[in-house]
Amino acid sequence: EDKVVQSPLSLVVHEGDTVTLNCSYEVTNFRSLLWYKQEKKAPTFLFMLTSSGIEKKSGRLSSILDKKELFSILNITATQTGDSAIYLCASLRGAGSYQLTFGKGTKLSVIP
Amino acid sequence: DVKVTQSSRYLVKRTGEKVFLECVQDMDHENMFWYRQDPGLGLRLIYFSYDVKMKEKGDIPEGYSVSREKKERFSLILESASTNQTSMYLCATTLSNQPQHFGDGTRLSIL
Repeated sequence: EDKVVQSPLSLVVHEGDTVTLNCSYEVTNFRSLLWYKQEKKAPTFLFMLTSSGIEKKSGRLSSILDKKELFSILNITATQTGDSAIYLCASLRGAGSYQLTFGKGTKLSVIP
Repeated sequence: DVKVTQSSRYLVKRTGEKVFLECVQDMDHENMFWYRQDPGLGLRLIYFSYDVKMKEKGDIPEGYSVSREKKERFSLILESASTNQTSMYLCATTLSNQPQHFGDGTRLSIL
């Protein structure tokens, strides 16, 4: 059975701090790993990682995948209160499938 | 931009009622999914569909069914609602290997 584990489950930081969110996976026929941000409504897509060692960046957010050690990290630098959200990690399931297996999420709270 | 619309943001129903949750997408995506999201459990897949009239069970299909009569619409049905089906329900769509796009969710309470 595919498994995605995120840590920590919750995190409280001050504005301006840098945070690292972790995601490890055990997936048969791994294809891609995705990160989403969820505020009050729909999860919104952040990154999709398929190749090891290639960092993806979007503003203050970046993410990288390590397919040898089976994990990914999401970094947020110079955090702002608007970064407060649940961050979801998901793995795309095996060949020919478009299903995602989600981790339980990391709840990030950024306080002024 | 992909638009995924769920018919209700909040819904309150009674135990034993038949409940319909509707999801409509405007991007001609073949693949559609229904999840429920519960604190401490994350998102769990209930059912999905790769094409019209086609459906597949996800990880937790018990107590649910689905209908996909048209490509753009995917309905989740609670045959006889129970209190343990109180949850946030999220619909998502995708095209091929692209990221899934989510609707805003329906917060369903069963009394």
